[in-house]
Amino acid sequence: AQSVTQLDSQVPVFEEAPVELRCNYSSSVSVYLFWYVQYPNQGLQLLLKYLSGSTLVKGINGFEAEFNKSQTSFHLRKPSVHISDTAEYFCAVTSNSGGSNYKLTFGKGTLLTVNP
Amino acid sequence: IAGITQAPTSQILAAGRRMTLRCTQDMRHNAMYWYRQDLGLGLRLIHYSNTAGTTGKGEVPDGYSVSRANTDDFPLTLASAVPSQTSVYFCASSATRTVNEQFFGPGTRLTVL
Repeated sequence: AQSVTQLDSQVPVFEEAPVELRCNYSSSVSVYLFWYVQYPNQGLQLLLKYLSGSTLVKGINGFEAEFNKSQTSFHLRKPSVHISDTAEYFCAVTSNSGGSNYKLTFGKGTLLTVNP
Repeated sequence: IAGITQAPTSQILAAGRRMTLRCTQDMRHNAMYWYRQDLGLGLRLIHYSNTAGTTGKGEVPDGYSVSRANTDDFPLTLASAVPSQTSVYFCASSATRTVNEQFFGPGTRLTVL
C-alpha cells in the first residue's frame, strides 16, 4: 500500500517570497511522484513528475521539486511566487506493483495563498 | 483537441434519484479514472478502467458503478443518490504503457439534497 502526507493544509506567503510545500510518502516498492496544481473551479494539471534519474526535477511556472529517498520526501519549491500561483497543490504517488495500471494516490492538498 | 470533457458541469439532484455523469476523452488513452474531491480529503479514486471492457474498484466504490464499452467513454452512475455523494467529480485518463501523467477533466459539481 502507498500513502501521501502533505504536512501543511494552508500556506500563506507574500508575493515574491520563496515557498516550500512539503510532501512525504510511504511505499514498499519503487515509486513515481507527481505534483499537480488546481486553480479555482478548474481540474488538475501536472506541474512536474519524478520517474527516475536526477532527483531534482523542474516543472512549469518556475516550480521544482527534489526527490529524497532516505527521507521519503518530495517537497515542492519556488524561489519567488506570484499572485497567480494562488491555487491548491496536490502531491501524488504511484508505483509499479506488477500491473499495467499506475493508479495514483493523492495527498489531501495544500492551499497556497499569495498575498500582495 | 478537447482532451477530456465532462457533463453536466453541475447538477442538483434529489436523494434517491439515478444519475449518470458522462466523461469522454479524445486522446485514445487506455486507462480512465473517476475521482471525487471533498474538502480536506483531497481526491479519492472511485473506479478505474485499464482498457475498454474492463473496470476495477478504487478506494471509495460503494454506491457507484461504471462501464467501459469503448476507449473514449467512461460514464459513472449513481443508482440511488444520497446526500453523502455531494461532491466534485473528476474524470481522468492516462496512457498505460509507461508511467504517464493523468489528464483531468474540468469536473462535475453534484449536490444531492
